[in-house]
Formats: sequence, structure tokens, C-alpha cells
Amino acid sequence: QVQLQESGPGLVKPSETLSLTCTVSGASISIYSWTWIRQPPGRGLECIGNISYSGSTNYNPSLKSRVTISVDTSKNQFSLKLRSVIAADTAVYYCARTVRGALFDPWGQGSLVTVSS
Amino acid sequence: DIQMTQSPFTLSASVGDRVTITCRASQSMSTWLAWYQQKPGKAPKLLIYKASSLESGVPSRFSGSGSGTEFTLTISSLQPDDFATYYCQQYNSYPWTFGQGTKVEIK
Repeated sequence: QVQLQESGPGLVKPSETLSLTCTVSGASISIYSWTWIRQPPGRGLECIGNISYSGSTNYNPSLKSRVTISVDTSKNQFSLKLRSVIAADTAVYYCARTVRGALFDPWGQGSLVTVSS
Repeated sequence: DIQMTQSPFTLSASVGDRVTITCRASQSMSTWLAWYQQKPGKAPKLLIYKASSLESGVPSRFSGSGSGTEFTLTISSLQPDDFATYYCQQYNSYPWTFGQGTKVEIK
């Protein structure tokens, strides 16, 4: 059974960098593609970007200038960095496996990140 | 970006009711549409993909239809476990985008 778990600081100051890691168990990270998705409190879902098993990335154009997604195959993890955060970046951040090219299953439980001084 | 608009925003229904949620796309996208269910405090769960294909393990009371710009999710007989928020997602073109969600509440 594939499981994902997000980890990282729950509080980030404005203008700093948000960093999250997703640890994958039950599957090799080298076989699938992986996605980061976020959900601001009380709002809908937004794809941040994804990374393929080959290391190629796609980023949402609305965030592209501030985002980096990377993979560490030795640890079976992939990571998200979002630079120069503002209050509007406050959200629950989910990692998910990408299946059938563009669907998400399963998801991690989510990690709430608050941007505040 | 393709904009996805769901209706209604909130739906009040009783156990046993037939429920339909609509998702409209800002441009034609064949059948590249998925539906997810999200319960409070939980991650979304994939229910349907390619507009009408049921994900393994999802009860058969869930069904999807549509193509082009208009899609529907139907629950044939609402069960207590189905009270949740439902999101559509397009994967016709990047960036993949979601609808704003439809909350199914107990009447």
C-alpha cells in the first residue's frame, strides 16, 4: 500500500522560503511522477507542480518563478521549496502520487503551513 | 488556464436521495475530467476519471458523465458516508485545475 507523509515547519515568516518534504513508502519514487497541491483554508485546490521519475518538472505558471520541486531517490522523498512567501501562501500542502499522467492517488494527509511574522 | 465552475456550491439532501453535481469547463476538453471526494480534515480521494470511469473500490452508486464542457457527478442513492465536498479536476491541459467544490450536506 502506497503511503505519503508530508513534513516541515508549520510556520514561515513572510519573504522567507517554505520547505516541505514528502516521504513515500510502499512504492519506489523512481517509478512514478509526484505532485504538490495546496488548499488555502476554506478554499479550493491548486496544483503547484510535479516531478517525473526522470526528474523533469512542470510548475503552475502562477507560481513558477518561486517554486522548485526536487527528488531524492536515496531517501524515497521529494521536496517543495516556495520562495518569498506571503500571507496568501498560507494553506494545507498535500503531496500526491501522479497516476494516469495527471490524476492524484493517493495523497498525503496534508501539512498546514502558516505564513506569519 | 481552463476554468472549472461547479454548481451548486452547497447541496442539502437526505439519505437515499439522488444527487447530481455539475462541472462546466471554460473550454472544450473531451473527457479529461476527474472527480474527488474530500471529507473534513482529510485528503481528497479519487472517485472517477476520464469523466465516467469508476476508480477501483469506489461504490457503484457513484457515476460520471459528460464531455466537452459540461460534466456531471451523480450519486444514485445518497449514503451517510457520502456527506462531503466534491471537486472536479480537468487534465486536458496544464496547469491542471479544480472546480471550487460542492459541499453535500445533510438536509
